[in-house]
This record gives sequence, C-alpha cells and structure tokens, in this order.
Amino acid sequence: GESVGLHLPTLSVQEGDNSIINCAYSNSASDYFIWYKQESGKGPQFIIDIRSNMDKRQGQRVTVLLNKTVKHLSLQIAATQPGDSAVYFCAENMAGGGFKTIFGAGTRLFVKA
Amino acid sequence: NAGVTQTPKFQVLKTGQSMTLQCAQDMNHNSMYWYRQDPGMGLRLIYYSASEGTTDKGEVPNGYNVSRLNKREFSLRLESAAPSQTSVYFCASSIAGGYTFGSGTRLTVV
Repeated sequence: GESVGLHLPTLSVQEGDNSIINCAYSNSASDYFIWYKQESGKGPQFIIDIRSNMDKRQGQRVTVLLNKTVKHLSLQIAATQPGDSAVYFCAENMAGGGFKTIFGAGTRLFVKA
Repeated sequence: NAGVTQTPKFQVLKTGQSMTLQCAQDMNHNSMYWYRQDPGMGLRLIYYSASEGTTDKGEVPNGYNVSRLNKREFSLRLESAAPSQTSVYFCASSIAGGYTFGSGTRLTVV
C-alpha cells in the first residue's frame, strides 16, 4: 500500500554537526514532498518543500534531496543547534490536492550541547 | 498573524459525553483539515473540507462529524466520546499543498 516511512525513529547529533533525516515513500505518483518540524506541545511547522521535477532545494540551513529512482527523501540540517531538537515528519502529496497528503510517523532529533 | 487557532487546548471527557473542537484560520485558505496524532503514528486524517460548503471523510472518520461553518471555521464534533478517541487533534489549512497547523487539542476520554 501507499506509505511514507522513516528509516530512523531517533537521531542524536552533537551541536554544530550536520544532521540527515531520511524518508522513503512508495507512491510513484506523488509529486510534492514536504518536511515538517514539530516541537514538543506544538503543531507541525512547515520547513521546506520540493516538487518532483527537482532533485534538490535549499533553504536557510536546510536542504531537501529527492531521489525519485529509489523513492527517497532526505532533510539535511547544517550546523545543528539545540533549537533544532524536535520531531521531523516527511509527507508526500499526491497530485491533485492537499487532502491526499500522507505523513510519516516522524524522527525525533536530539541535539547534544 | 494568528494563522490557525484551535480551542480548547486541553479537554477531559467522560465516556459518552459530547464536545466540539473549534478551529479558525485567518489566511483565506480554501482547504481545512482535522487530524489526530497518536504516539508512534503519523498524522491521520479524520475529515477535510476542500472548500467552503464541502466536507469529506478521511482515513479515520468514525465517531466524528464536522461542520465547515464558513471559509474561516471548521469544527470537529464527538457525539459520544470513547476512550479510543483519546489523542491530540490538529486542525490545519492549506492553499497549495503545504499545511499550516494549529497548536493542537489534547483530549483525554476516561
């Protein structure tokens, strides 16, 4: 069936190091992918998105990579800071509308000072 | 710039009681959604409203009803709460695929 999953449920990194959070998706018809950050007690917050006609997109300290050949998505956070500690969700959106978005279970990122 | 506002933030219900979760957005988004989030699971869609005047079932609609009161407001109602509905509920809105979420309602049914 269709699913969005994460390879690592938890990730612990040292402050200042780079973080990489991975995600696999199974629906080749998905054409829009989003990463969300969820801090404790808060709702998910949009970080960065990428469309299927792109392989890479950069934001401020974050980069999303899309490999359509192996249906893999990753979020790279440069110079990880304590404020980056949160749960990160990937989501895939099937062509046609946001109500077809499927969310992964999430990866918890711990940043050690 | 409030974004998406949900009320209440916390609620405890007894089994069989009813309640309505309120959601409002001020971004003029057409689409609105209700999700539930349970430990170890991704967000699961309960109901959505693609535009004012329409509502549709999502992945887990049983035990819930919704009302798209106007473009801004989308409410979720539990007619007879059950312990299985203990969860954190998020309302969201969107205009082009990316979502803006509210801060959530933590509901406990005892």
